[in-house]
Parts: sequence; C-alpha cells; structure tokens
Amino acid sequence: AQSVTQPDIHITVSEGASLELRCNYSYGATPYLFWYVQSPGQGLQLLLKYFSGDTLVQGIKGFEAEFKRSQSSFNLRKPSVHWSDAAEYFCAVGAKGGGSYIPTFGRGTSLIVHP
Amino acid sequence: ETGVTQSPTHLIKTRGQQVTLRCSSQSGHNTVSWYQQALGQGPQFIFQYYREEENGRGNFPPRFSGLQFPNYSSELNVNALELDDSALYLCASSLGREYNSPLHFGNGTRLTVT
Repeated sequence: AQSVTQPDIHITVSEGASLELRCNYSYGATPYLFWYVQSPGQGLQLLLKYFSGDTLVQGIKGFEAEFKRSQSSFNLRKPSVHWSDAAEYFCAVGAKGGGSYIPTFGRGTSLIVHP
Repeated sequence: ETGVTQSPTHLIKTRGQQVTLRCSSQSGHNTVSWYQQALGQGPQFIFQYYREEENGRGNFPPRFSGLQFPNYSSELNVNALELDDSALYLCASSLGREYNSPLHFGNGTRLTVT
C-alpha cells in the first residue's frame, strides 16, 4: 500500500522568503503525485500534479515541485511567499485500485507567513 | 460552472444517532469520492462512486455507507455515530475515475458527535 510522509507539521517563513515543503512517498510502482492546498474553512485545491515526463512541474500560484525517484520525494517550492499563501498543504500519492484511482494524503504541513 | 457543494456546513449529533451528508458534484462529473478529515490530519478515503456504483472503499466500517443518484449527486450515511466520527467530511467530484482526473473538492461538512 502507498503512503505519504510530510515530516514538517508547521513551517514559518517571512513574506518574500523562499519556501520548500517536504514530501516523501512510499509506493512500489511509478507514483502519481499531487500537492493540494487547504485554506481555513475550505476544501482542498489542486496546486500541481506529476504523472510522468519532466520531473520539475509547474503549478498554480507560482508553485513548483520536483520529483526525485532516487529519494522518493516530491518537494514543493515557491521562490517568494505571499501572506495569502498561509494555509495547510497536503501531498498525495495516487495508485490504481480495483479499476479506480485512490489518492492517499499525508497529514499536511501548516504554513505560517510572517509580515 | 457550478462547483462541488456540500450540505449542511455544520452538524451536531449525539452518539448512537444516524446522519446523512449530501454532495452535489460539479457539472459533468460522474465520479464522487468521500473523505474524512480529522482535526490535524490529512483526508482519509472513505469510498468512491462511479456512475451510481461503489467503485472503491477505504478502511471504514460498514456503518459508513453511501449512494450516488442518476444526476451524480451523492449521500454519505453514517449509522450508530461514535465520538471518533467527529471530523470534517469532504466530498470530491471528478470527470472519471482515472488517475488523470483531478479531484474537485467541496468545502466540507463539519460533524460534531457529542
């Protein structure tokens, strides 16, 4: 079975600073990887996804992530954080099961942005 | 384009009671998935419905059940509520059940069991 580890429960950065959120996955085959963002009181919004091809993927809101098979990682990055980026971030790995696609989510990383 | 809507937004129930949560999928989406998100945790997959049939189930007991209707809206039913069922319940719809069908989430129903 697949699993996702987000080792950082909270990350605090200053506005304008760069950001990297860590994600490690466990899955026996080629993974399908996702990053979602959840603002308070809201559902999850897809930031970006990796299925195959170029290991550096671009997403919405200026985010990018890099797939590193050798490290089983899919870290999320942003060069300059805005106060509106404060939210909960979830990494997910998808796998086929019984004809359907079921994503498994990590426990999330809470991003705090200082002015 | 109407997004995923869930009702009610908040609900308080007593242990042992039964609850029904509702979800209207995004227009044109034929697949609905339900997730339970406990406080401080990531979403946990409950089950998925594709064209009115259950298409996958997570590690949840049979007292968690669901339906999908011909218009692809869906219900989540939980019987014999327990305190640990207190959580945010998220519905997500997608155009198909394949890996490249992005999930579109609703804002969730916050269930409190006392």
